[in-house]
Parts: sequence; structure tokens; C-alpha cells
Amino acid sequence: GENVEQHPSTLSVQEGDSAVIKCTYSDSASNYFPWYKQELGKRPQLIIDIRSNVGEKKDQRIAVTLNKTAKHFSLHITETQPEDSAVYFCAASGGGADGLTFGKGTHLIIQP
Amino acid sequence: DGGITQSPKYLFRKEGQNVTLSCEQNLNHDAMYWYRQDPGQGLRLIYYSQIVNDFQKGDIAEGYSVSREKKESFPLTVTSAQKNPTAFYLCASSPMGASYEQYFGPGTRLTVT
Repeated sequence: GENVEQHPSTLSVQEGDSAVIKCTYSDSASNYFPWYKQELGKRPQLIIDIRSNVGEKKDQRIAVTLNKTAKHFSLHITETQPEDSAVYFCAASGGGADGLTFGKGTHLIIQP
Repeated sequence: DGGITQSPKYLFRKEGQNVTLSCEQNLNHDAMYWYRQDPGQGLRLIYYSQIVNDFQKGDIAEGYSVSREKKESFPLTVTSAQKNPTAFYLCASSPMGASYEQYFGPGTRLTVT
């Protein structure tokens, strides 16, 4: 089955700086890659996703890049703000009937 | 994420008891999922269902059971056979399969002592 590795497990950046979280996946058939943000005790919220026919997608301060050849994808957050502090999860799906396979998460800390 | 509800928010049970977690959605989504989340871990898939009266095991189905008698409802039973049932349980739904956005419920935190 699919295996998703996520790094780093903790990331601390100064407010206003950029943050990058990286994920690799194992199943070359995976074609959907969402990113979720989860605040303490809350449900995961989808923040951005990308499909395998696209190399990059942006939404304001957030961007995701996908390298299908290398089987890795990354989340980029620019001009970080205190409200960006949370745990971020990447995930991958083969597009079939099964669910998402998640990475173990990155705890992003924005230092004032 | 509105439109998918889970109850209760917190649940306490004694070891050896079965417990059922509720998940309801009014988004008219075909697919529903159950995930388990442990501290410092990602979400792991327990069961999923694409259509009524059909469901499939995920990666960690042992000790759990589900039913899908209605499109809107996908309850999860944690049986006494589950070795480590204490966890945060999240239900999700999506319009059609795993290649589409999954919307999560607020979760149920189950504690078994």
C-alpha cells in the first residue's frame, strides 16, 4: 500500500519568514495530494490540494509543488503569521475507492 | 466542514465494553470514512464506504465494525477486541471517492480505562 513520509516533525520560524514542509510517497499511482491544517483538539481542515496533472498550485500565501518523477510534494507558506501555528498533514490518494494515506504531521511554530 | 457531525465529543468506557460512535452528514456525499488519530501521529484509515450497504476495511480495521444502512450515517463500533481503543476518532465524507476533498467531522475522543 501507499506510504507517506513527512519532514520535519517540528518547524519553528520567525513571523514573516517562509516555511516549507516536505512529503514523499511510495505509490506511483497516487494522483491526489491534499494538505490539512489541524489546530489543537480540532478537526483537520483542507487548506490546499493538488492533482497529478499539475506541478504547482497557489492560494494567496500558500503554495504546493509536486514532483511526480521523484514522488515528492511540498507545502510552502510565505509571510508566516501567528495564526499559521498548527499541525500540518500531507496525504496521498490513489484515486480509487480507498481513503487517504497521511503523513505523521509537522508542528509549525511561528515565533513572534 | 459544516454538515458533518459526530457525537459525543468525549466518551468514556470501561475495558471490555463495546462502544458505538456516531457520524452523520447532510452534504449528500457518497463516500464516508473513519480515521483514528493517536498523539503525534497522522490519521490512519479504519473503514470506508462508497455506497449504502457496502464498506471496506482500511489499514487498521481489526477490532472495529461499521454499518452503512443510510447514505447520511456511518456509525463505528469499537469492540472489546480492539487492543488500544483510546484515541481521537475522526469521521469524514467526500462527494465521490478519495480523489476529492474530504470533509471532517469534529471528532470523538474515546477514553477506555
